[in-house]
Amino acid sequence: KAGVTQTPRYLIKTRGQQVTLSCSPISGHRSVSWYQQTPGQGLQFLFEYFSETQRNKGNFPGRFSGRQFSNSRSEMNVSTLELGDSALYLCASSGGTATYEQYFGPGTRLTVT
Amino acid sequence: AQRVTQPEKLLSVFKGAPVELKCNYSYSGSPELFWYVQYSRQRLQLLLRHISRESIKGFTADLNKGETSFHLKKPFAQEEDSAMYYCALNRNSGNTPLVFGKGTRLSVIA
Repeated sequence: KAGVTQTPRYLIKTRGQQVTLSCSPISGHRSVSWYQQTPGQGLQFLFEYFSETQRNKGNFPGRFSGRQFSNSRSEMNVSTLELGDSALYLCASSGGTATYEQYFGPGTRLTVT
Repeated sequence: AQRVTQPEKLLSVFKGAPVELKCNYSYSGSPELFWYVQYSRQRLQLLLRHISRESIKGFTADLNKGETSFHLKKPFAQEEDSAMYYCALNRNSGNTPLVFGKGTRLSVIA
């Protein structure tokens, strides 16, 4: 099985801009979760989508949003970028109705200048 | 709220020495605990689950409900064990997100 893929792998944006990140889960997986990874905070959960519905949400401002398509691919959008949004954004997919075993993508490195 | 604490940001050990990566959690129910590992230039991956009680790459972890801990241990560290290790908790109530600790970077010195 092909693994989780994320595009783009690297992105440089300016403060105030918006960005869209994409994630393709493992074939057959219906759950996609997004995380922000930073050296200081580790992995912080953003949100999870299951069958095109947001099932869980972390503690991030409304500038962070996402969606999932009928083929389970997911996108994450960040509007009005801030310097503090610079991070590695990880996407993870899981197969069943329980999200415990997650398969992670390589991440998108976002740098905001 | 559930929380996972990994008290050490960095742990350095010599090759061949025993390793213990600490993980404590706070959750009143029956959690499911995991260790994830991220080697340099590789993606984050599951190392082991407490429920399977298996040894992976020589690592073991026992869930201690009394002490609310799930420490990761290996009797003899190897250089290839150098990586970032994350402890994670699932509330075992089905459709809930994993809660991760902030991670411990293990450095094995030759």
